[in-house]
Amino acid sequence: DAKTTQPNSMESNEEEPVHLPCNHSTISGTDYIHWYRQLPSQGPEYVIHGLTSNVNNRMASLAIAEDRKSSTLILHRATLRDAAVYYCIHNQGGKLIFGQGTELSVKP
Amino acid sequence: EPEVTQTPSHQVTQMGQEVILRCVPISNHLYFYWYRQILGQKVEFLVSFYNNEISEKSEIFDDQFSVERPDGSNFTLKIRSTKLEDSAMYFCASSEALWPYQPQHFGDGTRLSIL
Repeated sequence: DAKTTQPNSMESNEEEPVHLPCNHSTISGTDYIHWYRQLPSQGPEYVIHGLTSNVNNRMASLAIAEDRKSSTLILHRATLRDAAVYYCIHNQGGKLIFGQGTELSVKP
Repeated sequence: EPEVTQTPSHQVTQMGQEVILRCVPISNHLYFYWYRQILGQKVEFLVSFYNNEISEKSEIFDDQFSVERPDGSNFTLKIRSTKLEDSAMYFCASSEALWPYQPQHFGDGTRLSIL
């Protein structure tokens, strides 16, 4: 199964940007990079995805390295509601293989 | 915004009993999934379902598990004879398509407790 590496935890201050890194050195040419997050007591929630180019949506930005072996999820202004476990996943569609993710805590 | 709904939110069942977990996916979605999360562990894929057939299943999804789309709106997961180790959160998800990539939308889960 596709393997990603993320830090176990990160801390941020409210209203500051957060950069969440992910290594995916085994990614193949057609795998998408997806980010989901899981707030406490909720199901996973889609955040963003990309293939080669950097991507922006209303929730976040995704910066993908030129060799596609790593990516960074950027939350431009963290809020308390962004405290969650963030998962970086790569596959070609179908099943999602979740790792342990990065637990993001946001301090007021 | 349309969402995936799951019922019940919490199910308590005696070991050895059958349990059915229910999900209503988003109405125009064609692909359906079940995942589970044992307390403190990773979210694990169980099964994907498309066109009234299982597309893919994991090793966890053994003969005790089955899925069904009994009508145009519901998607169910049945566990025939529950074991203590089946205690977990079970998440249903749906997506519009596989390719080009469409995100999976998850429900808030059913907490299954086996006594």
